[in-house]
Amino acid sequence: AQKITQTQPGMFVQEKEAVTLDCTYDTSDPSYGLFWYKQPSSGEMIFLIYQGSYDQQNATEGRYSLNFQKARKSANLVISASQLGDSAMYFCAMSPTYTGTASKLTFGTGTRLQVTL
Amino acid sequence: DGGITQSPKYLFRKEGQNVTLSCEQNLNHDAMYWYRQDPGQGLRLIYYSQIVNDFQKGDIAEGYSVSREKKESFPLTVTSAQKNPTAFYLCASSASDRENSPLHFGNGTRLTVT
Repeated sequence: AQKITQTQPGMFVQEKEAVTLDCTYDTSDPSYGLFWYKQPSSGEMIFLIYQGSYDQQNATEGRYSLNFQKARKSANLVISASQLGDSAMYFCAMSPTYTGTASKLTFGTGTRLQVTL
Repeated sequence: DGGITQSPKYLFRKEGQNVTLSCEQNLNHDAMYWYRQDPGQGLRLIYYSQIVNDFQKGDIAEGYSVSREKKESFPLTVTSAQKNPTAFYLCASSASDRENSPLHFGNGTRLTVT
């Protein structure tokens, strides 16, 4: 069984500052993928970044980076230079990589990020 | 532009009525999914389809039904058997369910049953 834990229900960050959103996971699968999605108030879920469990380097996508610490089973999302448009809910998710992907996705409960002036 | 269209955005129904939520994609994706989102919870998978004319139950399929007669379309019917149908419903697609391809989501349908 897989489990994703996001312990921060809400976070505040000032514009232009960096922020880290925490995500820890638990799985018995030897190979897995970790995802972060953003959900603005419009409701749509937007894919941000992906990290494979065997990837040697931490994933980066523009202002987003994933701080992957396999031994600690954590996959924190780091947003640099926060913008007002980053205010949204953020979901961490994971799935095994050898038997289908999206149909086996497990989502965390999310963190609401509010960017302030 | 390619994407996923869900309609309507808001839907109101009386208890005991079946209701169908529409989901259309023009991304040429093989796999499509329906998720349910409740306040304070993550997304939960209702049904998914890897190919036309085939679909599988997800974690919370009871009280729901789907069809996949066309690649582009994956409608979800919320039946009167669903005990707590009021929720936010998200449709998604991916190029394939066999790879780590990310999900593309629609804007969701908020269903309220009274």
